[in-house]
Amino acid sequence: DAKTTQPPSMDCAEGRAANLPCNHSTISGNEYVYWYRQIHSQGPQYIIHGLKNNETNEMASLIITEDRKSSTLILPHATLRDTAVYYCILSMEYGNKLVFGAGTILRVKS
Amino acid sequence: GAVVSQHPSRVICKSGTSVKIECRSLDFQATTMFWYRQFPKKSLMLMATSNEGSKATYEQGVEKDKFLINHASLTLSTLTVTSAHPEDSSFYICSALAGGRADTQYFGPGTRLTVL
Repeated sequence: DAKTTQPPSMDCAEGRAANLPCNHSTISGNEYVYWYRQIHSQGPQYIIHGLKNNETNEMASLIITEDRKSSTLILPHATLRDTAVYYCILSMEYGNKLVFGAGTILRVKS
Repeated sequence: GAVVSQHPSRVICKSGTSVKIECRSLDFQATTMFWYRQFPKKSLMLMATSNEGSKATYEQGVEKDKFLINHASLTLSTLTVTSAHPEDSSFYICSALAGGRADTQYFGPGTRLTVL
């Protein structure tokens, strides 16, 4: 069973920031928060991951609450190509398998 | 960096035949690869974990004699669907743990299998 809860779908206007929430109230101390996305009929794409500090890379920012029970993935300037299913997954950092939930369908609209 | 390829991208076969899918890490060595299956409008389901030089570990409910996994080198894992039936039609996706840090799975583009 997935240990995260995400809204089933969200809409975002092109050029605006997309903020995707994820609840993980039962996260354990050594579990990382991973974000992947899957564009239709493609393999998932790694976005970002973090333990407790906020993280940023060229694709997105990850904001993790201080109690680590929830997080938000931020795509700063969404484009139509960001339309995808976004998965928030908990996993140990080294070599552990990923359990995919239903994810959030993000629709970026012009 | 961290590119994973799969071959073929699409395959159509007759019921009862076997199909082999290859997963390659192109620019890194992967001691561990994973195989997933995804049915239409569903999420990815892990089938097995493949470790180089050893037997694969299968998830509960996945028949190891039907889905043969071979991880013969640090850049190649293969999944063979034996005696395929229409219910095996699915999107098969592999992933590989990037060598060195091994903290991130990188996924292949997937293989669409249709069994007639």
